[in-house]
Amino acid sequence: DTGVSQDPRHKITKRGQNVTFRCDPISEHNRLYWYRQTLGQGPEFLTYFQNEAQLEKSRLLSDRFSAERPKGSFSTLEIQRTEQGDSAMYLCASSAFRDNDNEQFFGPGTRLTVL
Amino acid sequence: AQTVTQSQPEMSVQEAETVTLSCTYDTSESDYYLFWYKQPPSRQMILVIRQEAYKQQNATENRFSVNFQKAAKSFSLKISDSQLGDAAMYFCAYRSAGGFKTIFGAGTRLFVKA
Repeated sequence: DTGVSQDPRHKITKRGQNVTFRCDPISEHNRLYWYRQTLGQGPEFLTYFQNEAQLEKSRLLSDRFSAERPKGSFSTLEIQRTEQGDSAMYLCASSAFRDNDNEQFFGPGTRLTVL
Repeated sequence: AQTVTQSQPEMSVQEAETVTLSCTYDTSESDYYLFWYKQPPSRQMILVIRQEAYKQQNATENRFSVNFQKAAKSFSLKISDSQLGDAAMYFCAYRSAGGFKTIFGAGTRLFVKA
């Protein structure tokens, strides 16, 4: 399967702990996105990479959140000092730049539960 | 700022019947894309159909079609001959032409009754 993959699929942690999620985009895609989806809501944009450069960060991404995409391939999203309000599904998506046609393909998500 | 509104939290349809999901959006831009995404339970989100704002013709993909009313900023999804596998959350979404951020509505959960 050559789709977007995310690891882990589920993560349960205690408040105050740090967690890191990984996203592997479709191999030829140079754009990568992170979204957060809380229960009963649609996904909300968090951040965007073009190759290794992080070009946009939402105000939802507090100082406790950091995302990287070294070498423009996979990406990691780290949350430090987790809070119960961080409990959500974290979705990764990727797209290829082709004029204005940059259809985003989504991964299965990482569901985070903060106890 | 752009917004997307889905006013139907839940809808249900009998198998083989037709159902229409509603979506309205707000934007001051003239060039943009609109999408319907399907998110089955515990499965990843997939694109159902896409509409370019500059195209007047409504998009169609097999049993799925849209009614795009640009002046009214309305973008509804019609599912014909509904199947059990259509049961899922459906999200309406917006993206500026050349943009990267997709803005989603809150979703409509569709139930399909056998």
